[in-house]
Amino acid sequence: EVQLLESGGVLVQPGESLKLSCAASGFTFGNFAMSWVRQAPGKGLEWVSQTTGGGGNTYYADSVKGRFTISRDNPKNTLYLQMNRLRAEDTAVYYCAKAEGYTYGEYYFDHWGQGTLVTVSS
Amino acid sequence: SVLTQPPSVSGAPGQGVTISCTGSDSNIGAGSDVHWYQQFPGRAPKVLIYKNINRPSGVPARFSGSKSDTSGSLAITGLQAEDEADYYCQSYDSSLGGWVFGGGTKLTVL
Repeated sequence: EVQLLESGGVLVQPGESLKLSCAASGFTFGNFAMSWVRQAPGKGLEWVSQTTGGGGNTYYADSVKGRFTISRDNPKNTLYLQMNRLRAEDTAVYYCAKAEGYTYGEYYFDHWGQGTLVTVSS
Repeated sequence: SVLTQPPSVSGAPGQGVTISCTGSDSNIGAGSDVHWYQQFPGRAPKVLIYKNINRPSGVPARFSGSKSDTSGSLAITGLQAEDEADYYCQSYDSSLGGWVFGGGTKLTVL
């Protein structure tokens, strides 16, 4: 059974940094692309970032480009999101999601974690 | 949102509804697939339809998807109270260089 467990969400002040983790199990982690998707309180889903199975290619939404860094440690079956220069508008539940597909246009998210809440406020 | 969904739809038990997802030539119209997710309050999203028309195992046949030109659609027949949830479409946008979601549609079963 695929399981994704996020951690690291806390209350931080604007301008601070935070690193989220997502522990994966139940599948061959290094064989799959992984994404972070966030959801601000009462709002819709927003894709944040994706990394390929080997970690060699990364992609970011414009809203986080230059501030967030996605990475993975395949031997540890763990996905990370380093978030710098946090803003109030980054406040959201952050989900990690396993991506399924072969081409950009095919990718969808077939398994999701339960999410971790990041609150950016002074 | 790059993908446009109606904010809300409603229907009586047993009836059917359709949720549209309108994109453009840089996403759905460029050949990117449309995927659909169901989300209950306080819960993580769950894939409902993938690659336009496919249902994961366990998803009832009452749920079906389609794609045409620059749009995708999710149809739900035989509405049940348990279908009341938020529904999101998702695709890939080549102009943005990333994956995108629709704004979401809240389904109310009257």
